[in-house]
Amino acid sequence: EDQVTQSPEALRLQEGESSSLNCSYTVSGLRGLFWYRQDPGKGPEFLFTLYSAGEEKEKERLKATLTKKESFLHITAPKPEDSATYLCAVQASGGSYIPTFGRGTSLIVHP
Amino acid sequence: DTEVTQTPKHLVMGMTNKKSLKCEQHMGHRAMYWYKQKAKKPPELMFVYSYEKLSINESVPSRFSPECPNSSLLNLHLHALQPEDSALYLCASSPGQGASYEQYFGPGTRLTVT
Repeated sequence: EDQVTQSPEALRLQEGESSSLNCSYTVSGLRGLFWYRQDPGKGPEFLFTLYSAGEEKEKERLKATLTKKESFLHITAPKPEDSATYLCAVQASGGSYIPTFGRGTSLIVHP
Repeated sequence: DTEVTQTPKHLVMGMTNKKSLKCEQHMGHRAMYWYKQKAKKPPELMFVYSYEKLSINESVPSRFSPECPNSSLLNLHLHALQPEDSALYLCASSPGQGASYEQYFGPGTRLTVT
């Protein structure tokens, strides 16, 4: 069974304090790993797709990396507007190709 | 345009009511999804349509009935719901189902069953 575990569950940072969110996964074969941002009461917003170990993608203050067992979302010098829940989803090879979501990390950035 | 729209934004219904949620996308995507999301939980897959045909039903109770009238529209018909069905209902689309495509989500419909 595919499993996706995100840590920490919640993270509080001061503005400018860089940190990383973790997404560890167990799948039979990775087809794609997705990061989403979700603001309260809204739908998830797509951020990145990673396909293979060693791949990295960046967008503004966010950088996503991928190894064979986990992905990290690095947040550099965060601002209060980066506060949101960050969801990781993993798509396995074969089967229905429906992504399995992790429970998310709730990030709060204090000014 | 990477927008998925959903109506209504909020819905309050009694347990004997019949209502429908609507979702629309104009990105030419051929896969569309309904998810249910409870507070502080990840989205939970309900249904998947691929090329306008129902491809996945995640053992959802029959009081939820999906419909895909065409490649741009997705409906979710609701009847005789229970209070525990109160949640945020999300629609999503992707270019296809069988490859590593990202999903684009709508803003959701906040449903309250009284």
